[in-house]
Amino acid sequence: DAKTTQPPSMDCAEGRAANLPCNHSTISGNEYVYWYRQIHSQGPQYIIHGLKNNETNEMASLIITEDRKSSTLILPHATLRDTAVYYCIVRVTQGGSEKLVFGKGTKLTVNP
Amino acid sequence: SQTIHQWPATLVQPVGSPLSLECTVEGTSNPNLYWYRQAAGRGLQLLFYSIGIDQISSEVPQNLSASRPQDRQFILSSKKLLLSDSGFYLCAWSAGTQANYGYTFGSGTRLTVV
Repeated sequence: DAKTTQPPSMDCAEGRAANLPCNHSTISGNEYVYWYRQIHSQGPQYIIHGLKNNETNEMASLIITEDRKSSTLILPHATLRDTAVYYCIVRVTQGGSEKLVFGKGTKLTVNP
Repeated sequence: SQTIHQWPATLVQPVGSPLSLECTVEGTSNPNLYWYRQAAGRGLQLLFYSIGIDQISSEVPQNLSASRPQDRQFILSSKKLLLSDSGFYLCAWSAGTQANYGYTFGSGTRLTVV
């Protein structure tokens, strides 16, 4: 089962920041939080990941709370092409393997 | 640079027919490999993962099997397809537990069982 919970859907106006929340209250100390997005009929696309500190790249920013029980993905200036399903995932490591277990994600709709 | 290839892009197969989907990775060695399935309107379900040649772990009981005959080749198979096997199948690779990299996904195969 997925270790994350996300709102099923969100709307955002074009040009505004999109803030997508994620709860991962059972996350372990060495587990990373990953964000992916999936545009219809395509494979998921990596966005960003983090462990403890906030992270920023050319696509987005990731804010992780100090207790690591939740995080927020920020798209600073959403465009219509950012409409997609966004997945927040905890990377699970067990034995000699690791895996990403996807939840249902948040369907973000960016409106003109 | 690393690339992942998955084919075919679309496939229509009758119930009871066999299935073979192939995934290959280039530009890396000893990758972790994964097969996911996405049923219509649903999330991604992990089916199989592999940390090495002939080392396959199954996540859910099903009508499918996976094999890894070579380091960078991952095959998803079925002897007899069911209607419920329809879906979007995605292959992915990662650099493994020693690196905090994410997964890179292929472009997927859309399978329709009729």
